[in-house]
Amino acid sequence: AQSVSQHNHHVILSEAASLELGCNYSYGGTVNLFWYVQYPGQHLQLLLKYFSGDPLVKGIKGFEAEFIKSKFSFNLRKPSVQWSDTAEYFCAVTLRNQGGKLIFGQGTELSVKP
Amino acid sequence: NAGVTQTPKFQVLKTGQSMTLQCAQDMNHNSMYWYRQDPGMGLRLIYYSASEGTTDKGEVPNGYNVSRLNKREFSLRLESAAPSQTSVYFCASSESPTGTYNSPLHFGNGTRLTVT
Repeated sequence: AQSVSQHNHHVILSEAASLELGCNYSYGGTVNLFWYVQYPGQHLQLLLKYFSGDPLVKGIKGFEAEFIKSKFSFNLRKPSVQWSDTAEYFCAVTLRNQGGKLIFGQGTELSVKP
Repeated sequence: NAGVTQTPKFQVLKTGQSMTLQCAQDMNHNSMYWYRQDPGMGLRLIYYSASEGTTDKGEVPNGYNVSRLNKREFSLRLESAAPSQTSVYFCASSESPTGTYNSPLHFGNGTRLTVT
């Protein structure tokens, strides 16, 4: 079955530490990949996306993600986190040209200590 | 700009009761979605409507029905609520189905439903 896995359920970091959140998917076809963020008390917002081209994509607020096709992965990174990055992060995948089914991972809660 | 509006924000039901969650978007989007969010399980797609006049099942459709009333509105109905349906429900919309470029989802603020 098609699925998206985020292996880190809760990550706790100090400010200025580097961040990497894992995301793996199990789809057989060509995929579109997304990271969404949900700040406390807010709804989900798009952080970044990958459709084609350069596998290293940059998003808002200094986040980036790298698509590694051979590993079926799309990990999220940030060199130096801030307290304001405290949020829940969701990886999501959809099959290209089969619109409508955006499937989310379980989410990773990030807590950044000031 | 309102974006995606969901009503109600909170609801408590007793087992067996029915209710409809309302969702409306003012961005002229073609596609709309209903998700539920549960701790440790992320967001799971219940139903979606790729375009006006069409609806399709998502990952967890059992116990729910939907109606795409028009281009703006997409409602979710629980005919006989069960405690397992206690969750936070999010409606979302996108300009076109999410498989196409430059069409991210825009989410509403959610409905917190408790079934006792």
